[in-house]
Amino acid sequence: SQQGEEDPQALSIQEGENATMNCSYKTSINNLQWYRQNSGRGLVHLILIRSNEREKHSGRLRVTLDTSKKSSSLLITASRAADTASYFCATPRDNYGQNFVFGPGTRLSVLP
Amino acid sequence: EAGVVQSPRYKIIEKKQPVAFWCNPISGHNTLYWYRQNLGQGPELLIRYENEEAVDDSQLPKDRFSAERLKGVDSTLKIQPAELGDSAVYLCASSSLWGASPYNEQFFGPGTRLTVL
Repeated sequence: SQQGEEDPQALSIQEGENATMNCSYKTSINNLQWYRQNSGRGLVHLILIRSNEREKHSGRLRVTLDTSKKSSSLLITASRAADTASYFCATPRDNYGQNFVFGPGTRLSVLP
Repeated sequence: EAGVVQSPRYKIIEKKQPVAFWCNPISGHNTLYWYRQNLGQGPELLIRYENEEAVDDSQLPKDRFSAERLKGVDSTLKIQPAELGDSAVYLCASSSLWGASPYNEQFFGPGTRLTVL
């Protein structure tokens, strides 16, 4: 069963604009991770946010987590053409193991 | 530091043929994952290894898929016989340099794109 679901499925913006994508999940989690996948490549880990954290920053990335709403958002500020990729959230299948469930992803296109 | 290595990068076969994918994880990583990623979807876990032990293979279609991780390092995923629906990207990932934890990030290889004709 799918745990995380990203929204929107696709997003197209101009370079310099901010991009926001959301992830909703179904059951309690102890952490949520965001990954990026460039076309034809493997996934790259971007950021991990723990259930006791509400916000986390990494460079131009800002991730929020609302455990009451079972949702997370990824904000990319001042987007660049190189940010064009698919973005996935991953949530643990359970609180004890290391099996993660990935959503279908948001496909971001940043136009120059 | 070398990343996760996978080979081949691309494979085209006819249905009913066998195929094998190879993965070399990051040195020292105990946990190894095989995922299947269909076009436009996120990765779906097939099997997870802790060292040489397959600790979760519940989503591996065992009638035609098999995997092994001899000596707890390299791993091979095999499909025999392949079906049209097996066309996908097969991703290998590794993690857990410091021991098993749900907070470990996964490091992915570039994947093998399989096309079954």
